[in-house]
Amino acid sequence: AQSVAQPEDQVNVAEGNPLTVKCTYSVSGNPYLFWYVQYPNRGLQFLLKYITGDNLVKGSYGFEAEFNKSQTSFHLKKPSALVSDSALYFCAVRDRGSGGSYIPTFGRGTSLIVHP
Amino acid sequence: SQTIHQWPATLVQPVGSPLSLECTVEGTSNPNLYWYRQAAGRGLQLLFYSVGIGQISSEVPQNLSASRPQDRQFILSSKKLLLSDSGFYLCAWRTGGGGNSPLHFGNGTRLTVT
Repeated sequence: AQSVAQPEDQVNVAEGNPLTVKCTYSVSGNPYLFWYVQYPNRGLQFLLKYITGDNLVKGSYGFEAEFNKSQTSFHLKKPSALVSDSALYFCAVRDRGSGGSYIPTFGRGTSLIVHP
Repeated sequence: SQTIHQWPATLVQPVGSPLSLECTVEGTSNPNLYWYRQAAGRGLQLLFYSVGIGQISSEVPQNLSASRPQDRQFILSSKKLLLSDSGFYLCAWRTGGGGNSPLHFGNGTRLTVT
């Protein structure tokens, strides 16, 4: 089975500073990787994905992610954090379910706190 | 544009009572549909998914069941709720195919079993 790991339960950053939320993956074959954000009491929202092509992927709300094959990582980044970026962030990878169809498998999530 | 509706937003049910949560998608055809449970505001557990009407795959054995009576309708049910069924239930859809399309989530149902 494919998997992703988010090694940090929580990331704290000051507003205006760059932020990084880490994700590493373990897959057989080419990885299909995704980032999602969840605000309190809401569903997840898609931010960006890597399927193939450029290693730097740009997404919604000024976020980007860097795919690094040698380090098996897909870290989420933003050059300048906003207080409103405070939320729960999930990394996900394409996997296969028990019925054989493709399903997403999620990491445990990282809580991002941006301090004013 | 596509939208997903999930209701109710909150639900408090006694142990042993039945459960029915409904999810509908608009603006797309033959979506892949998913039910997730999120405990304690963190990790997502995939419960069921469906790639077509009447086709349900279960990822976790438990007292819950799912049905897809129509193309864009996905229902999560239980005959008798347990305390451990409390959590935040999320429905999601994506276009079918090779697994490279993202999920689109509803706003969830917070279930408290008392």
